[in-house]
Amino acid sequence: GESVGLHLPTLSVQEGDNSIINCAYSNSASDYFIWYKQESGKGPQFIIDIRSNMDKRQGQRVTVLLNKTVKHLSLQIAATQPGDSAVYFCAEITGGFKTIFGAGTRLFVKA
Amino acid sequence: ETGVTQTPRHLVMGMTNKKSLKCEQHLGHNAMYWYKQSAKKPLELMFVYNFKEQTENNSVPSRFSPECPNSSHLFLHLHTLQPEDSALYLCASSQEARDTDNYGYTFGSGTRLTVV
Repeated sequence: GESVGLHLPTLSVQEGDNSIINCAYSNSASDYFIWYKQESGKGPQFIIDIRSNMDKRQGQRVTVLLNKTVKHLSLQIAATQPGDSAVYFCAEITGGFKTIFGAGTRLFVKA
Repeated sequence: ETGVTQTPRHLVMGMTNKKSLKCEQHLGHNAMYWYKQSAKKPLELMFVYNFKEQTENNSVPSRFSPECPNSSHLFLHLHTLQPEDSALYLCASSQEARDTDNYGYTFGSGTRLTVV
């Protein structure tokens, strides 16, 4: 069946280091993926997206990588800052509209 | 502010109470959603409204009743809830159109509900 899951429920990194958050998906027909960030007391916020015809997309300090061969998605955060501490969700969009969210990974940034 | 506003932010209610959650979006989106977020679980889709019409009810108990009077407002009416219904209830909106470049959701900050 369809599923979107995360390899690690928590990730702890030192301030200034790079962070990598991983996500696996099972539906090879999914054509759009999104990473969301949820800070304490707030709803999830869109960070970056990528379409299935791409394998990499860069934003400000964030990069999303898509490996369709192994159905794997990752979010890389460069020079992680305390403000990056949050729960990160991947989302898989199939058929244009059906969205499935992963369980989330909590990122802790140590000063 | 994300453009999606939810009220109240916090709500404590007894199992026999009736209350309503409100969501309002000023983004011109045509689809609105209710999600339930419990600890250590993925976001659970509850209801979807597209152009004010309910297009999905994800096997939600009848003690939760959605209402969408127009494309900018969404309510979740609560009645005879159980303690296990305590969670963060998130509203989201999106633009459902084949020619959109962005299928992402804009979420509100949620209502933290505690049922006692």
